[in-house]
Amino acid sequence: DTGVSQDPRHKITKRGQNVTFRCDPISEHNRLYWYRQTLGQGPEFLTYFQNEAQLEKSRLLSDRFSAERPKGSFSTLEIQRTEQGDSAMYLCASSAFGGGGETQYFGPGTRLLVL
Amino acid sequence: AQSVAQPEDQVNVAEGNPLTVKCTYSVSGNPYLFWYVQYPNRGLQFLLKYITGDNLVKGSYGFEAEFNKSQTSFHLKKPSALVSDSALYFCAVRDSTDNQGGKLIFGQGTELSVKP
Repeated sequence: DTGVSQDPRHKITKRGQNVTFRCDPISEHNRLYWYRQTLGQGPEFLTYFQNEAQLEKSRLLSDRFSAERPKGSFSTLEIQRTEQGDSAMYLCASSAFGGGGETQYFGPGTRLLVL
Repeated sequence: AQSVAQPEDQVNVAEGNPLTVKCTYSVSGNPYLFWYVQYPNRGLQFLLKYITGDNLVKGSYGFEAEFNKSQTSFHLKKPSALVSDSALYFCAVRDSTDNQGGKLIFGQGTELSVKP
């Protein structure tokens, strides 16, 4: 077990609704990442935090998406006005900063289905 | 721009035979390379990584990978496949010159099927 937890594991919602996912990283890790994985594809980077600072955002992260890590511990990813194209697995990962070669450890993911 | 290619969508091997899952990459600077495995409806599990040093890297569950700078490749290998190795395998790269230093770029994955 990697130690990264995500909640919920599955979410079914109707188009136009808002959803929020939570990620709890490995406790001593100061970096936290969000990725999105669609069927048959590899994970795609969305955003990452070092402590509470959001340091990079992908252009995949439209204005409907927002991520926070308020106290440098857990993080939330919110999707507003969901669209069917948002259906995917949302993966969270954490790492301890180590100069670039550090390993990212992934959680089990939250599978989102937008009807 | 960074990129990773896994040229085979699926690899089929018989149990006990050696396996190879191929990966090539493109980065501006020196690469940090990773292999992950994903079982159905699960997150990604780290197998091994190359940062610097010996080109042959050994990882979990008997897997190893060889970094080849001239061919820009990082193929995953195992001398004797097990049925339980059947899963989806992802290669990923990070450019060491990426000052923002966060994201991994993943390949599209290779489905490994090991038959008894």
